[in-house]
Amino acid sequence: QLQLQESGPGLVKPSETLSLTCTVSGGSISSSSYYWGWIRQPPGKGLEWIGSIYYSGSTYYNPSLKSRVTISVDTSKNQFSLKLSSVTAADTAVYYCASEDILTGYYYWGQGTLVTVSS
Amino acid sequence: SSELTQDPAVSVALGQTVRITCQGDSLRSYYASWYQQKPGQAPVLVIYGKNNRPSGIPDRFSGSSSGNTASLTITGAQAEDEADYYCNSRDSSGNHHAVFGGGTQLTVL
Repeated sequence: QLQLQESGPGLVKPSETLSLTCTVSGGSISSSSYYWGWIRQPPGKGLEWIGSIYYSGSTYYNPSLKSRVTISVDTSKNQFSLKLSSVTAADTAVYYCASEDILTGYYYWGQGTLVTVSS
Repeated sequence: SSELTQDPAVSVALGQTVRITCQGDSLRSYYASWYQQKPGQAPVLVIYGKNNRPSGIPDRFSGSSSGNTASLTITGAQAEDEADYYCNSRDSSGNHHAVFGGGTQLTVL
């Protein structure tokens, strides 16, 4: 079964770029079976879909975040990454990476990583 | 519309049946997936497709759909089912955009 693990800074300054990486093990990120997604959850609030990427490189972004989000994939490292620019305190959240199967939804999730935006 | 609407909170007596609903236009075209999230933990997929459970999910969890409404039913709720539940589906754009409901906090009394 797949295992996903987020990594990256836990503290980002306002106006800077948040960068996170998700390392996939137990399977290939080049698999045509999955989309690879990022979901976040502000403290005490619900889940928000950020975006996803297919192994081919096709990307799909939440329209509300599209102008600030870039998701990329590195097949050589079996990783995919999230960049969110011009962050504010409203971007403080637990960020999850997850694998999406077209038939099932988000089946495998990382444990999540808290990113705080503060000076 | 790209929104999925859930009741913020629902309660159920131990051993009784509870239904958690999710409404949205996209549910007329796509099935919902349902996730259980306990405090401090990542979400766990409990129902997907028409009514499918991943391995390890108890059969007291079931799903259904009618029109623009998807439902998660827990038959014989247990104390360990107390959690937040989120629905998720594609939005109506057809562009592989996902959307999550606002979540329902389930209390088992």
